[in-house]
Amino acid sequence: GESVGLHLPTLSVQEGDNSIINCAYSNSASDYFIWYKQESGKGPQFIIDIRSNMDKRQGQRVTVLLNKTVKHLSLQIAATQPGDSAVYFCAEKDNQGGKLIFGQGTELSVKP
Amino acid sequence: NAGVMQNPRHLVRRRGQEARLRCSPMKGHSHVYWYRQLPEEGLKFMVYLQKENIIDESGMPKERFSAEFPKEGPSILRIQQVVRGDSAAYFCASSPSGAYEKLFFGSGTQLSVL
Repeated sequence: GESVGLHLPTLSVQEGDNSIINCAYSNSASDYFIWYKQESGKGPQFIIDIRSNMDKRQGQRVTVLLNKTVKHLSLQIAATQPGDSAVYFCAEKDNQGGKLIFGQGTELSVKP
Repeated sequence: NAGVMQNPRHLVRRRGQEARLRCSPMKGHSHVYWYRQLPEEGLKFMVYLQKENIIDESGMPKERFSAEFPKEGPSILRIQQVVRGDSAAYFCASSPSGAYEKLFFGSGTQLSVL
């Protein structure tokens, strides 16, 4: 069954603040994780990925943290902008069957 | 470098009709995945194809749904005898290598069944 879920369905932040979106997974054997951003009416857009042999990976204004001990994944967005408003999905690669399994999503709303 | 192209963007069908959804992967990508998304839900895996081969169809309903990725041309997701429950957004993704990594998604086809 599904093994990836998010702690909070909605997150509202002030423009310029940092955002943290959390994700829990249950399959300790998963070895690859990925974050997507989906704006209304559009397809998911790749943000950043991380393998299980890493704890942290940084991109432009985004950082993904992986805590394998508690099976937790987070996406940090620095200096959040109105254009960051979207639904964010984490996804886990199921190395049993190989499928990419998506969580339910967190809606990020940025207040000006 | 064009992204993943899906068409049509919107498709309206009456119950019992057939729906054909097309997907052209990014240039250089030979791995195609189809996902379905219901309103306010995450994406559900349907099928993974390479050229002329179905690699994993464990997410496909047993009846009425089929997918292909021919040697030439786009990948096609075909739904026969559509029912209202088939109404959803269908997304196609492609990747440069296999194994479900670094998937790039198209804009999707919104299927509405009347």
